[in-house]
Amino acid sequence: SQQGEEDPQALSIQEGENATMNCSYKTSINNLQWYRQNSGRGLVHLILIRSNEREKHSGRLRVTLDTSKKSSSLLITASRAADTASYFCATRTENAGNMLTFGGGTRLMVKP
Amino acid sequence: GAVVSQHPSRVICKSGTSVKIECRSLDFQATTMFWYRQFPKQSLMLMATSNEGSKATYEQGVEKDKFLINHASLTLSTLTVTSAHPEDSSFYICSARTANGEQYFGPGTRLTVT
Repeated sequence: SQQGEEDPQALSIQEGENATMNCSYKTSINNLQWYRQNSGRGLVHLILIRSNEREKHSGRLRVTLDTSKKSSSLLITASRAADTASYFCATRTENAGNMLTFGGGTRLMVKP
Repeated sequence: GAVVSQHPSRVICKSGTSVKIECRSLDFQATTMFWYRQFPKQSLMLMATSNEGSKATYEQGVEKDKFLINHASLTLSTLTVTSAHPEDSSFYICSARTANGEQYFGPGTRLTVT
């Protein structure tokens, strides 16, 4: 079953704008990960944030985690057309045998 | 980084036939492998978890007799879709986890049943 809900489900922006995607989850987690998936392709791991961390950066990516609200956000700054993809959050929960459980995903389209 | 391969990347089969998909961890030993299914424009849904040398654990609603999983070695797991039907057409993704908990994903296999 899915643990995370992502918001929005679809997002369309112009190149150069920032894109923000949100993920909410239901149970306590060990860590939360963000993945990218180009259409019909496999998953690419973007960033992992642990439950005791609040913010992480990687290049143009910024991830925040608010465990009190059970939510995370992924910000892509200065978006490019090549950022067009689906983005998924996934939580790792000790109670679920340390399995990764994926959210519904956000389909991002960046228009040139 | 660690690499997980899947074979084939695409397969088309006729209704009623069986299809085997292989998942290999190329440069590490995977204590646990996972099989996911993904319908178009949807998220990944975990089908089953397998540990080397033991029976797979299937998620609720996944028929174990239809989706046969064999994890014969620490680098190979196979998923066999038996008596495939058009509704089994989907994108199947495997994932392998190392002993220290890092998880790596394969590129996926697109199955089309005609």
